[in-house]
Amino acid sequence: NAGVTQTPKFQVLKTGQSMTLQCAQDMNHEYMSWYRQDPGMGLRLIHYSVGAGITDQGEVPNGYNVSRSTTEDFPLRLLSAAPSQTSVYFCASSYDYRAYEQYFGPGTRLTVT
Amino acid sequence: KQEVTQIPAALSVPEGENLVLNCSFTDSAIYNLQWFRQDPGKGLTSLLLIQSSQREQTSGRLNASLDKSSGRSTLYIAASQPGDSATYLCAVSEAAGNKLTFGGGTRVLVKP
Repeated sequence: NAGVTQTPKFQVLKTGQSMTLQCAQDMNHEYMSWYRQDPGMGLRLIHYSVGAGITDQGEVPNGYNVSRSTTEDFPLRLLSAAPSQTSVYFCASSYDYRAYEQYFGPGTRLTVT
Repeated sequence: KQEVTQIPAALSVPEGENLVLNCSFTDSAIYNLQWFRQDPGKGLTSLLLIQSSQREQTSGRLNASLDKSSGRSTLYIAASQPGDSATYLCAVSEAAGNKLTFGGGTRVLVKP
């Protein structure tokens, strides 16, 4: 079991560029989510999905887009990168939307110049 | 809106001392509370999950308690070791789903 994997580990973008952060899990988990971690702000929820084809917004969704076409994958798209999106991004998964333990990926460190 | 607070923000103890980490939350309508460990530059590792109906959960040297009515959880780490040095985060799951609200973390340094 690889658990939750994320690619790339590091990325530098220029303002206005777009990119997709990849997240995959091999545990057949229904629930997946994206968080960003910023100094002084802690971890905040961006988007989440309770199953394939179903997504919803979290606390800080602006500037990000998600889709969930398979159970395994939950990519996060930055449509037009801004310096305010410089952060560390974590993907997480759990068995389903109920009160189950959540497992986190290793993170993607993104810098927008 | 749920708010989660962890005090102190940083803690330094000599090796062998017991660690006591605190977490408080404002809304008692939670499904569960999870404690995580984060090493510098790394992801989050789940340590313990306490369901809202439970009072405590134990794993090895770790013990976490939950008092929903007072909005508090405590993580105890017995006989601390230098390898326990890390940031410890608590997070609560809202009643409306599995969305986590995190505290700011406590950075722990265990000195040999």
